Amino acid sequence: QKEVEQNSGPLSVPEGAIASLNCTYSDRGSQSFFWYRQYSGKSPELIMFIYSNGDKEDGRFTAQLNKASQYVSLLIRDSQPSDSATYLCAVVTSGTYKYIFGTGTRLKVLA
Amino acid sequence: GAGVSQSPRYKVAKRGQDVALRCDPISGHVSLFWYQQALGQGPEFLTYFQNEAQLDKSGLPSDRFFAERPEGSVSTLKIQRTQQEDSAVYLCASSSGLVSYNEQFFGPGTRLTVL
Repeated sequence: QKEVEQNSGPLSVPEGAIASLNCTYSDRGSQSFFWYRQYSGKSPELIMFIYSNGDKEDGRFTAQLNKASQYVSLLIRDSQPSDSATYLCAVVTSGTYKYIFGTGTRLKVLA
Repeated sequence: GAGVSQSPRYKVAKRGQDVALRCDPISGHVSLFWYQQALGQGPEFLTYFQNEAQLDKSGLPSDRFFAERPEGSVSTLKIQRTQQEDSAVYLCASSSGLVSYNEQFFGPGTRLTVL
């Protein structure tokens, strides 16, 4: 089992819909969780981070964390074609600073 | 500087050659990370520096890989006797602090192709 798992997709949603991206992790000691967006040929850029159970909202983005079930999700409301990219989930485990990334989910927003 | 910079952006090497990849982190950032990203995969951790100290090199795939950050700012990742499986994008990231929820800022990467 990989430490951080994501469905590779592609996930296709129509413009204006809600895109839901999921990530599960295996280490219960994980403390910090990050969502990065990566356009093709570009470097990852941070969308949100979360480290407490519950929801965290920032504009059209909501991150959700459930430590008991060991999953973290990202919701994108009112999806736009410009949101089409690969979304990477990154986890930091206790006592370390390094990110453990999932393989990423490719999102396609259809105009 | 405005962001993390890396050079060269592209590198083509013949199998067996040595290469050196450079990373300039954001000024003042204490932490520096190297990741390797294969096509279609997420980045994989290689090594971590806190100032000039290399605190974690558990992700380096073999003893052909070596990284340094002698003055606590610029870092170099060196790969000796390159192999085809070393072909990937090498990402450098820096972070301002020492807590696990500090954001890492990524550079544009160096795309290494080994022929």
